[in-house]
Amino acid sequence: EPEVTQTPSHQVTQMGQEVILRCVPISNHLYFYWYRQILGQKVEFLVSFYNNEISEKSEIFDDQFSVERPDGSNFTLKIRSTKLEDSAMYFCASRRETQDSYGYTFGSGTRLTVV
Amino acid sequence: KNQVEQSPQSLIILEGKNCTLQCNYTVSPFSNLRWYKQDTGRGPVSLTIMTFSENTKSNGRYTATLDADTKQSSLHITASQLSDSASYICVVSARSGAAGNKLTFGGGTRVLVKP
Repeated sequence: EPEVTQTPSHQVTQMGQEVILRCVPISNHLYFYWYRQILGQKVEFLVSFYNNEISEKSEIFDDQFSVERPDGSNFTLKIRSTKLEDSAMYFCASRRETQDSYGYTFGSGTRLTVV
Repeated sequence: KNQVEQSPQSLIILEGKNCTLQCNYTVSPFSNLRWYKQDTGRGPVSLTIMTFSENTKSNGRYTATLDADTKQSSLHITASQLSDSASYICVVSARSGAAGNKLTFGGGTRVLVKP
């Protein structure tokens, strides 16, 4: 079964450093998303990406965040200057809109720890 | 503001028993409702997806119901197994933007199945 692959599985970084979280969506999917889950809290929407541009973003997704699809396969989330409160599990998801399916496929996540 | 509330927060059941999880939502404009299973430290995995016109949907021992009038859903687990121990998350999708739907997650119900 096709999978969304995220790397690394765990990243530890110092406050103020830049991090890039990587995702390889399912190859024929067209819509890409980042979500995050702070420990013990709900999963929250960050950003959606379609047709090589951001479609929608949440209040969380401020100027410190950016997304890119640098080639045909990778989808990255960059945090420019990490803060302690950025520590969370970050999930990438992709979707192929079809008439009969509304299926999102989530990756296993990257656990980001900011120290 | 779109919200999804689940109850109970957690429950413990004996292997082989049944249980029912509840979900209430205020999401507009409603597109569909999903139930996900999330193992600790992993990404959510889809169990069922229901649109406005569907009242019930089954996936093996999982049966979801939807009452779009009262904005309530339930997930029934039949003959529970130890492997059912996980968080079960109700996720409601609202039509939003060019990337299609945006997901609003509930806080999840943590289920522990004991032998």
